[in-house]
Amino acid sequence: SQELEQSPQSLIVQEGKNLTINCTSSKTLYGLYWYKQKYGEGLIFLMMLQKGGEEKSHEKITAKLDEKKQQSSLHITASQPSHAGIYLCGADIAGGTSYGKLTFGQGTILTVHP
Amino acid sequence: GAVVSQHPSWVICKSGTSVKIECRSLDFQATTMFWYRQFPKQSLMLMATSNEGSKATYEQGVEKDKFLINHASLTLSTLTVTSAHPEDSSFYICSATPTSGRALLVQFFGPGTRLTVL
Repeated sequence: SQELEQSPQSLIVQEGKNLTINCTSSKTLYGLYWYKQKYGEGLIFLMMLQKGGEEKSHEKITAKLDEKKQQSSLHITASQPSHAGIYLCGADIAGGTSYGKLTFGQGTILTVHP
Repeated sequence: GAVVSQHPSWVICKSGTSVKIECRSLDFQATTMFWYRQFPKQSLMLMATSNEGSKATYEQGVEKDKFLINHASLTLSTLTVTSAHPEDSSFYICSATPTSGRALLVQFFGPGTRLTVL
């Protein structure tokens, strides 16, 4: 089983709708990172969360890390076609013992219809 | 800031040849770089951690003699796929972490290299 589970695996929404992507682990997440990827391209860094209960926003994207530091959500408000892509969560689940090494979820494919 | 480049962006080679992929941090120094492999519609699979001036640390199941990693400077790491075979065809992505005393650092990713072995 995956150490980092993302849900849903794919999501199709109409432009203007809100959506949420979840990232869950049975282990403590010592650092949680959200990235966006266009197919065949590299990953673009979105946000990093470290503290339990932390929440960060950038433009229409908000990411949260729960108090237990085992679950994170990425919320997009009023989605646009430019939000389409693959969203990946990555996390340090080794507690800092493997410096910088991240485990990634399987990704969520987001499609936004105009 | 925090730009990572990869070269080449795509390469086609014959079976049995070796291919070198470069990963450069353009505007920062990176003590640590990571090499990933990604299959179509799948997530990233970490292959190895590359540390400047020392040997790379390979993940379980990754052949170190087949995937040679060299991190000669704080801005350059190279991955050489030796004696490539069709099953090595994949999308290879590198990432770099800025050199810092902080424990949690962001990995910045290159644009990837598409390798096709005929």
